[in-house]
Amino acid sequence: DAGITQSPRYKITETGRQVTLMCHQTWSHSYMFWYRQDLGHGLRLIYYSAAADITDKGEVPDGYVVSRSKTENFPLTLESATRSQTSVYFCASSGGTQYFGPGTRLTVL
Amino acid sequence: GENVEQHPSTLSVQEGDSAVIKCTYSDSASNYFPWYKQELGKRPQLIIDIRSNVGEKKDQRIAVTLNKTAKHFSLHITETQPEDSAVYFCAASRLNSGNTPLVFGKGTRLSVIA
Repeated sequence: DAGITQSPRYKITETGRQVTLMCHQTWSHSYMFWYRQDLGHGLRLIYYSAAADITDKGEVPDGYVVSRSKTENFPLTLESATRSQTSVYFCASSGGTQYFGPGTRLTVL
Repeated sequence: GENVEQHPSTLSVQEGDSAVIKCTYSDSASNYFPWYKQELGKRPQLIIDIRSNVGEKKDQRIAVTLNKTAKHFSLHITETQPEDSAVYFCAASRLNSGNTPLVFGKGTRLSVIA
């Protein structure tokens, strides 16, 4: 579990601001994922990446941007935060089994 | 796309009893079915998984069964203990591993009463 980290762990921002959530893994896994977790919805996929410079949309990608210039990093950017993006965000990486990071709790006021 | 339904949403059992959580999926192409346990404020952690070429898998007090014909799979926890109290999520994906996006059920909150 220590092989995948997220920062910040907690973030409060205001509507309209840009926010970037960081995800870093030390396993050199090719596959990385971003999910959001909301009460009543479980975990939903935002974006995923099969390798550096390869990304694809998930179930709820609107309002989010990702990049993957290095295998170990997979940042998620909220270009103009909205209240509906208040959530807990989990990054995961996989070398066959998905392991989750500790999460980032984001509040948009 | 894939849809995973999970039941029940809450489950209370007495310590020492068994707990069963059931999931159904819609995509017959799904081949990998992991189960995650999430304690309050923590990350989801894999507890067991099963692939489509296997009908049952056990790991100590935990077992998972898969019925591909009926498109359902279940988690069985025997001899429950208070530390089993958590939210459990089932998931499904197309490849035979976690290297593709997982579609999750909405979770089951298990409470084990001492």
